[in-house]
Amino acid sequence: EVQLVESGGGLVQPGRSLKLSCAASGFTFSDYNMAWVRQAPKKGLEWVATISYDGSSTYYRDSVKGRFTISRDNAKSTLYLQMDSLRSEDTATYYCARRDYYYSAYFDYWGQGVMVTVSS
Amino acid sequence: DIQMTQSPASLSASLEEIVTITCQASQDIGNWLAWYQQKPGKSPQLLIYGATSLADGVPSRFSGSRSGTQYSLKISRLQVEDPGIYYCLQGYSAPNTFGAGTKLELK
Repeated sequence: EVQLVESGGGLVQPGRSLKLSCAASGFTFSDYNMAWVRQAPKKGLEWVATISYDGSSTYYRDSVKGRFTISRDNAKSTLYLQMDSLRSEDTATYYCARRDYYYSAYFDYWGQGVMVTVSS
Repeated sequence: DIQMTQSPASLSASLEEIVTITCQASQDIGNWLAWYQQKPGKSPQLLIYGATSLADGVPSRFSGSRSGTQYSLKISRLQVEDPGIYYCLQGYSAPNTFGAGTKLELK
């Protein structure tokens, strides 16, 4: 059974940093591209970042470029999101998601999500 | 960025009723369209990918279709477990973008 378990969320002041982790199990983690998707309170879904299966390529939405860094440790089957210079508009539930194997066009499995609140 | 215009924003339907939700893409995305269901307090679940393919374990009452740049999700006979928020996603180009969501409730 595919499982994605996020951790590391919490309350942080604007301008500070936070690092999210996502522990994967139930599949060969190193075979899949992975992503982070977020959802602001009572709002819709927004793709944040994607990393290739081997970590060699990363992609970000414009609003987080230069502030967020996606990375992975295939030996530990863990995905990360380092979030620096946080803003109030980054407040959201962050989901770790697996991209589909053949096309990497969709998100086929999601974690339960972790809440990040940016506030003074 | 590709815009996905989803409608209706909300709807209320009775058990066994047929429900249809649509997404209009701002440009050609081929069949690179997925549908998700999200229940309160839960993460999204993949229902349909490739515009018409049913994801593993999804009941056959869910189906997807395409007409040009308009995509539809149909629930053939609404069941008690189907209420939630439904989102479309375009997987054609980065940044992948979602529709704003359709809140489906039982009447």
